[in-house]
Amino acid sequence: DIQMTQSPSSLSASVGDRVTITCRASQSINTFLNWYQQNPGKAPKLLIYAASSLQGGVPSRFSGSGSGTDFTLTISSLQPEDFATYYCQQVYSAPQSLTFGGGTKVEIK
Amino acid sequence: QEQLVQSGAEVKKPGASVKVSCKASGYTFSDYYIHWVRQAPGQGLEWMGWINPKSGDTNYAQKFQGRVTMTRDTSISTVYMELISLRFDDTAVFYCVRDQEPQSQVLYYFYGMGVWGQGTTVTVSS
Repeated sequence: DIQMTQSPSSLSASVGDRVTITCRASQSINTFLNWYQQNPGKAPKLLIYAASSLQGGVPSRFSGSGSGTDFTLTISSLQPEDFATYYCQQVYSAPQSLTFGGGTKVEIK
Repeated sequence: QEQLVQSGAEVKKPGASVKVSCKASGYTFSDYYIHWVRQAPGQGLEWMGWINPKSGDTNYAQKFQGRVTMTRDTSISTVYMELISLRFDDTAVFYCVRDQEPQSQVLYYFYGMGVWGQGTTVTVSS
């Protein structure tokens, strides 16, 4: 199975900061990588698919990049509603198997 | 609007089974795969498997094979997830999730999971 490793597992940042989250796959997954945001007590929400494509309705301050094994999610200017946990997900081995990363919690500094 | 509405919270004893329902509305039920994702308290997301509502075909994560069964009732646009032989560490929120793109789309899974149910809390307690 493909393993997904996110770093850091948590970070503290202030409103207006630029934040970068990393996701690494245990093998090359091309650009078969999605990002989700989960606010406390809520269901996750799709932010980015295919490594860099913004889901409709998602603010442009979110961006994704990468291919192969290394990917990043960047929030250009952190807003209060962005304090949440972010998960990457590989779908390279779909439909047989899908895997989430362990998550990165973005907290208020 | 497109939505998935799940059944309510459950409390079960170890060794029992639980069956969670997920009712789809606002779109053509048979067009989209539905997945189940588990989230233990304070933990991350764990993919459990999917069901193709059109054919009834299923695919389960290796970890859950033998304990999980996903079914559907097309007459009421509802999918079910049954987990048997519950253990304390099965305590979690279970989400049903729909693919963003229909299965007619080439590489439909490439586009992520776009519609989530509200989650169902299953507590395993003696």
